[in-house]
Amino acid sequence: QQPVQSPQAVILREGEDAVINCSSSKALYSVHWYRQKHGEAPVFLMILLKGGEQKGHEKISASFNEKKQQSSLYLTASQLSYSGTYFCGTEINNAGNMLTFGGGTRLMVKP
Amino acid sequence: NAGVTQTPKFQVLKTGQSMTLQCAQDMNHEYMSWYRQDPGMGLRLIHYSVGAGITDQGEVPNGYNVSRSTTEDFPLRLLSAAPSQTSVYFCASRKSRVAKNIQYFGAGTRLSVL
Repeated sequence: QQPVQSPQAVILREGEDAVINCSSSKALYSVHWYRQKHGEAPVFLMILLKGGEQKGHEKISASFNEKKQQSSLYLTASQLSYSGTYFCGTEINNAGNMLTFGGGTRLMVKP
Repeated sequence: NAGVTQTPKFQVLKTGQSMTLQCAQDMNHEYMSWYRQDPGMGLRLIHYSVGAGITDQGEVPNGYNVSRSTTEDFPLRLLSAAPSQTSVYFCASRKSRVAKNIQYFGAGTRLSVL
């Protein structure tokens, strides 16, 4: 079953912050975050594993709350280059199945 | 190191035609998969493979066939194209069944079925 992302879309001014959420009805083993620019392939941002780890990537960080079956992606001091669609991909176990992706969150950063 | 390579980049088919989308990876990854992405939607898994000779169905397998004769290649066949198969197709690969391993995507094939 696909994870649910929220919000579906967000518009920011440069320098503003945003949070994107990814929720699952099933217990999660890992959450993978990707960013996709228009007309391009999804590009990997970070992985969060079961255990509540928080990862960071420049001014983008994420958390994973396994009890709530939820992950959040935090974008701070947004830049124009952050524009794109963000996807979370999830695994419910370590059996090695391919990722199941949410519907995406479209982020637009304006000057 | 080319990563995941998909061909062609664009294709237009007529209803009922068949074709094969090619995917190759040079990272010696065990896992390969095909996703489709429709406008404004996420990525839906069509078929995947956990190694040469082993394939399985994903969420939306109808109308597509796959085979994996080598570790490097994972072609996707459309048996009789339908307008509902108009989409962008992404091939992906992943090293093995370890959660921390990254899944890499090819550049995509944009398919229109008229």
